[in-house]
Amino acid sequence: EVQLVESGGGLVKPGGSLRLSCAASGFSFSTYSMNWVRQAPGKGLDWVSSISSGSGYMFYADSVKGRFTISRDNANNLLYLQMNSLRAEDTAVYYCARNDDSDQGIDYWGQGTLVTVSS
Amino acid sequence: QSVLTQPPSASGTPGQRVTISCSGSDSNIGSHYVYWYQLLPGTAPKLLIYRNNQRPSGVPDRFSGSKSGTSASLAISGLRSEDEADYYCAAWDDRLRGRVFGGGTKLTVL
Repeated sequence: EVQLVESGGGLVKPGGSLRLSCAASGFSFSTYSMNWVRQAPGKGLDWVSSISSGSGYMFYADSVKGRFTISRDNANNLLYLQMNSLRAEDTAVYYCARNDDSDQGIDYWGQGTLVTVSS
Repeated sequence: QSVLTQPPSASGTPGQRVTISCSGSDSNIGSHYVYWYQLLPGTAPKLLIYRNNQRPSGVPDRFSGSKSGTSASLAISGLRSEDEADYYCAAWDDRLRGRVFGGGTKLTVL
C-alpha cells in the first residue's frame, strides 16, 4: 500500500524557515517523480514544486521560486521541502504527492502538514 | 485566478447526473492529460480520473471523464449524498513549466 507521511509543519514567524519531510513507503520511491502541493485555508489546491526520480529536474511555482528548495533522498525514501523567507501567504496545508506511472499527473497524496506563518 | 477554469459550484438531486467543466489552453489541457480529484473536508485529495478518462480501481463507474481540445469535463451519474465534496481538475502546463489546477467546484447534493 502506498503511504506518504508528511512532517515538519508548525508555526513560524514571517521571514523564518521550515523544512518539511515526507516519508514514502509501499512503492519503489526512487523510480517516481514527486511533488509538493498546498492548500491555503478556504482556498483551492496550489502546486508548489516537483522533482524527477533522480533529482535531475526540479520545477517551482513562481510564487516560491528562489525561496523554496525541493530535494529527495532515494536511499531513505524521503522527500523534502526547504522553505525560507516565509510569508503569511505561505500559510497552508502542504501535501506530499506522487506522480503516476505516466509521469503526467498525481495519483497518491499524503494527509498533509499544516504550516502557519504568523507573528 | 486559476489557470484552469471551473465553475465555483454545481448541484443536483440524488440520482441525477451532473457535469463539471474545466477549461484551459493549448499549453495545458490541449497538450497533456487531465486529472480529476475529489476533496472531502479534513481528508487528503483522492484521485478520481487519470489520463483524461481512466478510473483508478475502487472509483465507482458513476464517475467518468472526457476531454476535447482545450476543455475537459467530469460527469457524475446516479448522484449520491456522499458525492458532496470539492472537485478539482489538473494538468501540466508547458508554458508555466508546472502543474496547474482549476479553482475547484463545490458540489452540493440537494
